[in-house]
Amino acid sequence: QKEVEQNSGPLSVPEGAIASLNCTYSDRGSQSFFWYRQYSGKSPELIMFIYSNGDKEDGRFTAQLNKASQYVSLLIRDSQPSDSATYLCAVNSNDMRFGAGTRLTVKP
Amino acid sequence: DAGVIQSPRHEVTEMGQEVTLRCKPISGHDYLFWYRQTMMRGLELLIYFNNNVPIDDSGMPEDRFSAKMPNASFSTLKIQPSEPRDSAVYFCASSYGGLASTDTQYFGPGTRLTVL
Repeated sequence: QKEVEQNSGPLSVPEGAIASLNCTYSDRGSQSFFWYRQYSGKSPELIMFIYSNGDKEDGRFTAQLNKASQYVSLLIRDSQPSDSATYLCAVNSNDMRFGAGTRLTVKP
Repeated sequence: DAGVIQSPRHEVTEMGQEVTLRCKPISGHDYLFWYRQTMMRGLELLIYFNNNVPIDDSGMPEDRFSAKMPNASFSTLKIQPSEPRDSAVYFCASSYGGLASTDTQYFGPGTRLTVL
């Protein structure tokens, strides 16, 4: 069984802080990794993908991948109230499996 | 581009009835995906198509579920007969590349299905 695990939260951070979201996966054959943001009642939207070990930065977002530890994370710098949403980790190993999501609240 | 279009946005039906969900992918996208999202099971991939051909339907929960893609601009997901446990939000997504790529999947707004 291929598993993707995330802390369900809620994770609460003050505005301007760094939010750290974590995800672990069980299938060592996994090839690519995605972070989606989903606002309440809306559809998921892709924030970032990563497929190589290390860090990948895009604006205020940084994805980190460690395949040896089977761990992928998303850092959000200078968190804004508009970042309040559920963040879904998705792992591709010839199928697409999503974690249950972490609910993030950024307080003004 | 209008994005991925799904209809209906909400569907309430009674157990045993047939339900048909519809999707229009983004023009030019070769891949179409059907997902189901529930509180208990999260977001699950049900089936996906490449150039109108079903590639992997291993996520389809049982024979009551079927999906078709008669042409590049239209797909349906049918549940017959429907059961209360099928209540969920069903998303359709499309992309240029398939699961082996990192191409962005664009999700439709979803159909919220309630089976009484």
